[in-house]
Amino acid sequence: GDSVTQMEGPVTLSEEAFLTINCTYTATGYPSLFWYVQYPGEGLQLLLKATKADDKGSNKGFEATYRKETTSFHLEKGSVQVSDSAVYFCALRLSGGTSYGKLTFGQGTILTVHP
Amino acid sequence: ETGVTQSPTHLIKTRGQQVTLRCSSQSGHNTVSWYQQALGQGPQFIFQYYREEENGRGNFPPRFSGLQFPNYSSELNVNALELDDSALYLCASSLAGAVRNSPLHFGNGTRLTVT
Repeated sequence: GDSVTQMEGPVTLSEEAFLTINCTYTATGYPSLFWYVQYPGEGLQLLLKATKADDKGSNKGFEATYRKETTSFHLEKGSVQVSDSAVYFCALRLSGGTSYGKLTFGQGTILTVHP
Repeated sequence: ETGVTQSPTHLIKTRGQQVTLRCSSQSGHNTVSWYQQALGQGPQFIFQYYREEENGRGNFPPRFSGLQFPNYSSELNVNALELDDSALYLCASSLAGAVRNSPLHFGNGTRLTVT
């Protein structure tokens, strides 16, 4: 079945450090890929997305590139801030049919940024 | 634009009881999905509703059921509650279209505790 695997956390960084959170997936067909962020006590917020191979999603300094050859969608940010501390989820959605409401999530990666 | 709202925010129930959770979808969205997020885990897809009918379901037993109303709001019902049902329940809405499906937008969730 479809699945998403994220790097083990938690990740602890100092402010202005470089961030990478690895994400790989297994899916039938050609999924769309997403990164969601969850702040304490809140729901999920869409951070960025990519719908086809080689697409780069970007938002708020975060970037991720859809790599079909390595089935990966790694999240990167060049300089993290304390306000980036949250849980980050990689997810996929299959295209076509009735899959529009179904996301398959990874287990999440906790990011803590210290001043 | 009104986002996805869920009620109540917190709920405590006893094993064996029944619970109803409510969700108002984002304005303009016609699809509602429900997810269960256990502590420290990624969200798991329960089911989705489109045009008032369930048209996709994850690996959850029949005691998890739902409704979607003409205004696209939705309810999640869980019968015969078990301790393992304790989780954050997330509602997400999206716009399903013939050409492109919009990303899911999540509410802040209902925290259910079963004792």
